[in-house]
Amino acid sequence: DIQMAQSPSSLYASVGDRVTITCRPTQSIKNYLSWYQQKPGQGPKLLIYAATSLQSGVPSRFSGSGSGTDFTLTISSLQPEDFATYYCLQTYSTPYSFGQGTKLEIK
Amino acid sequence: QVQLEESGGGVVQPGRSLRLSCVASGFTFGEYGMHWVRQAPGKGLEWVAVVSYDGTNKHYRDSVKGRFTISRDNSKNTLFLQMNSLRAEDTAVYYCAKEESFLWFGELLYHFDYWGQGALVTVSS
Repeated sequence: DIQMAQSPSSLYASVGDRVTITCRPTQSIKNYLSWYQQKPGQGPKLLIYAATSLQSGVPSRFSGSGSGTDFTLTISSLQPEDFATYYCLQTYSTPYSFGQGTKLEIK
Repeated sequence: QVQLEESGGGVVQPGRSLRLSCVASGFTFGEYGMHWVRQAPGKGLEWVAVVSYDGTNKHYRDSVKGRFTISRDNSKNTLFLQMNSLRAEDTAVYYCAKEESFLWFGELLYHFDYWGQGALVTVSS
């Protein structure tokens, strides 16, 4: 089974900051990687798919990069609505697996 | 617009059964794979199971194999998760999610483009 090492587990930042979250699978997953945002009491929301493609309707301050065993989600300039928990997901092989999550909090 | 609405959650004793449903609208349900994902209280997301668009192919995580069954009724736009022999560690919010594919250099990459709001399952005596 593929494990996803996501870091950091928590992150304190301010509005306007640039933040980066990483995900490292235990084996190559090519570009079978997507990123999700989850707010309390809500289902997750798709941000990025195929490692680098921005989902329709998602602000362009979100971007994804990487392939193989090293992936990054970047938020270029944090907005108040971005404070949430973020997860990566590999869909290269079942069982599909998520990273442990990154909780982004206001500094 | 796409909507996924789960139902059937509740409190159940260990060893008992429960069936979750997810009613879909806003897209052609029978053309997409569907997934169940769960989240234990205060914890992260955990993939549970997938069923292909026509119901013929199914995959599960090891911890639920033999106890959970994913199925679908395309005539009713509904996804199901039959959960038997429930354990305390199955306590979670269960989300259904719609699968979408993206063609990348001849390969189909999958992601989950829509999610429901979740149904809480509590396994406790």
